Amino acid sequence: DAGVTQSPTHLIKTRGQQVTLRCSPKSGHDTVSWYQQALGQGPQFIFQYYEEEERQRGNFPDRFSGHQFPNYSSELNVNALLLGDSALYLCASSLESLNTEAFFGQGTRLTVV
Amino acid sequence: GESVGLHLPTLSVQEGDNSIINCAYSNSASDYFIWYKQESGKGPQFIIDIRSNMDKRQGQRVTVLLNKTVKHLSLQIAATQPGDSAVYFCAETLGQNFVFGPGTRLSVLP
Repeated sequence: DAGVTQSPTHLIKTRGQQVTLRCSPKSGHDTVSWYQQALGQGPQFIFQYYEEEERQRGNFPDRFSGHQFPNYSSELNVNALLLGDSALYLCASSLESLNTEAFFGQGTRLTVV
Repeated sequence: GESVGLHLPTLSVQEGDNSIINCAYSNSASDYFIWYKQESGKGPQFIIDIRSNMDKRQGQRVTVLLNKTVKHLSLQIAATQPGDSAVYFCAETLGQNFVFGPGTRLSVLP
């Protein structure tokens, strides 16, 4: 049983570019959340997707957008990249019907230069 | 600002000793709390959770204590091992997401 998988593992982009990160949830999970983790800090909630809809959003600008597909996988898109967007982006999956722990992927390390 | 924080940014313990990692939270409406362990280059890994209707929960070598009166959460690790070296985060539920504290780095000394 595969856990949460994210791709790519590392990515370097230039300021102003756009990036798409991908996440496949743990088998059986239907809810995907995205977090941004800056170096030396705790993860910060970006948004959560359930039934292909954004259900809740953290304090992130509209440059951050997402999508969930019918197979529950998800994408995180960031437009007009800033140097400050450099971080580890984590995807977490859970089962909506159970308010229990979220399982995290290994993350995508994004570096904006 | 964040509603979850940690008292100590770093903690060093001798191998075999017990470790205690503390966390303060500010949202009295939170009803679910989790401790995560994050090793270098990896995503957070679930350790143990506790609901607000409990004050203590035990796992294998770990115990979580919840004091709702003072909004305090702690993680106790018994007989700390080198493999326990990592950053530990507490997190509380707020709506549909988790709010994480800044983390405590645990270093296990030989």
